[in-house]
Amino acid sequence: DTGVSQDPRHKITKRGQNVTFRCDPISEHNRLYWYRQTLGQGPEFLTYFQNEAQLEKSRLLSDRFSAERPKGSFSTLEIQRTEQGDSAMYLCASSLGLADQQETQYFGPGTRLLVL
Amino acid sequence: DAKTTQPPSMDCAEGRAANLPCNHSTISGNEYVYWYRQIHSQGPQYIIHGLKNNETNEMASLIITEDRKSSTLILPHATLRDTAVYYCIVSLRYSGAGSYQLTFGKGTKLSVIP
Repeated sequence: DTGVSQDPRHKITKRGQNVTFRCDPISEHNRLYWYRQTLGQGPEFLTYFQNEAQLEKSRLLSDRFSAERPKGSFSTLEIQRTEQGDSAMYLCASSLGLADQQETQYFGPGTRLLVL
Repeated sequence: DAKTTQPPSMDCAEGRAANLPCNHSTISGNEYVYWYRQIHSQGPQYIIHGLKNNETNEMASLIITEDRKSSTLILPHATLRDTAVYYCIVSLRYSGAGSYQLTFGKGTKLSVIP
């Protein structure tokens, strides 16, 4: 399977704990996005990487959230001191940005986080 | 980005064509129309996108009106596996720089009925 993969698929944690999620994009995709989706809502943008550079962050990304893409390949999203309001599905998407071609984002299966 | 309006829910009989409408009356000339769907508890799945011409692929057809203010996604022979939330999204033409994050609404919940 050469699609976007995410790990873990499910995570249950207690309030105050730190969690880290991993996203492996489609190989050769240079652009990577993180989204968050709460029940009954569409996904909301969190942050975006072009290669290893994090170029944009949403105001939804509080200072407890940090994302990295150290070698321009996989990415991690860490949430420190989790709160119950962080319970959501965290989605990763990747795309290939090429001149004169419209970008299409492909999503992974998501990581479902439950904070107790 | 332009906003879209979709009906919250639709039913379609199995084997019939499903026609999902979307209004995007404020779309600008450099914005594409994208369709994604999300089957329960899975990540969104890309279906199709278009600028002004009608598009067809193995999954669906996209019909965009001449004034580009609305579009219709057509699933020609709906199956039970097509039951999902369908999102119509408008996104800027890619120009190489910056983020092209997708702005999702609540979509249309399509139920395919046996």
